[in-house]
Amino acid sequence: DIQMTQSPSTLSASVGDRVTITCRASQSISSWLAWYQQKPGKAPKLLIYKASSLESGVPSRFSGSGSGTEFTLTISSLQPDDFATYYCQQYNSYGRWTFGQGTKVEIK
Amino acid sequence: QVQLVESGGGVVQPGGSLRLSCAASGFTFSSYGMHWVRQAPGKGLEWVAFIRYDGSNKYYADSVKGRFTISRDNSKNTLYLQMNSLRAEDTAVYYCAKDMDYGDSVFDYWGQGTLVTVSS
Repeated sequence: DIQMTQSPSTLSASVGDRVTITCRASQSISSWLAWYQQKPGKAPKLLIYKASSLESGVPSRFSGSGSGTEFTLTISSLQPDDFATYYCQQYNSYGRWTFGQGTKVEIK
Repeated sequence: QVQLVESGGGVVQPGGSLRLSCAASGFTFSSYGMHWVRQAPGKGLEWVAFIRYDGSNKYYADSVKGRFTISRDNSKNTLYLQMNSLRAEDTAVYYCAKDMDYGDSVFDYWGQGTLVTVSS
C-alpha cells in the first residue's frame, strides 16, 4: 500500500499566520491527492481534491499544491474557525485509499 | 442537500457481529460509489470498504477483509456494513461517505458517524 506521511504532527500558530502542512507519498501518486479538515466530534470535510482543486464552498485562503510524492496544504491567513486536524488522502491506487496520520493545528 | 445518516452502532463482545446502515438522501444514490471509513478513539482516519454504484465491485482494507461485507440496496437508498468476528481493534466511529466519482475518487460528503465498541 502507498504510505502517506504528514508533517508536522502538531502545529502551533496564531490568527493571521500563514500555515503550511506537508504530505509525502511513499511512491508517485501523480496529482491524486485530497485534503480534509476535521473538528473534534465532527465528520471530516473535503477541502481540496486533485492536489489543487478547491471544493465548492471552501474559502479561498485554503490552497493545495504539489505532484508526484510531495504535496502541501496552505492556509494563507489562519482564521479562528481553522483550528482543527487536517488529513491528506491518496486515491492513486483505486481500491486502496489511504490517509496521512493527521496534522493538528493549535492556537499558539 | 446531501444527507447521510448512519445507524446500528453499539457495544458488542469480541467475536460478535453488528450491521451498520447508512440512509442516503439528497442525491441519486444509485449513481455513486460509497465508502465506509472508521476512526478509532483519538486516532486518525482509516478507509474500510468501498462499493461501486451498482454493487458490481467491492474493495476492502486488509484489516477487515474476510470479516466485513459492504452492500447496498439502491431501492432503499441505503448502504450497509456487516461486521463479523469483531475484535477490540475494530472499536471506532464508523462513517459512511459518498464518492465524488467522475475521475476523483474522494469522499465529498460524510455522515455524522456511529460508534462501535467491541468489549467484553
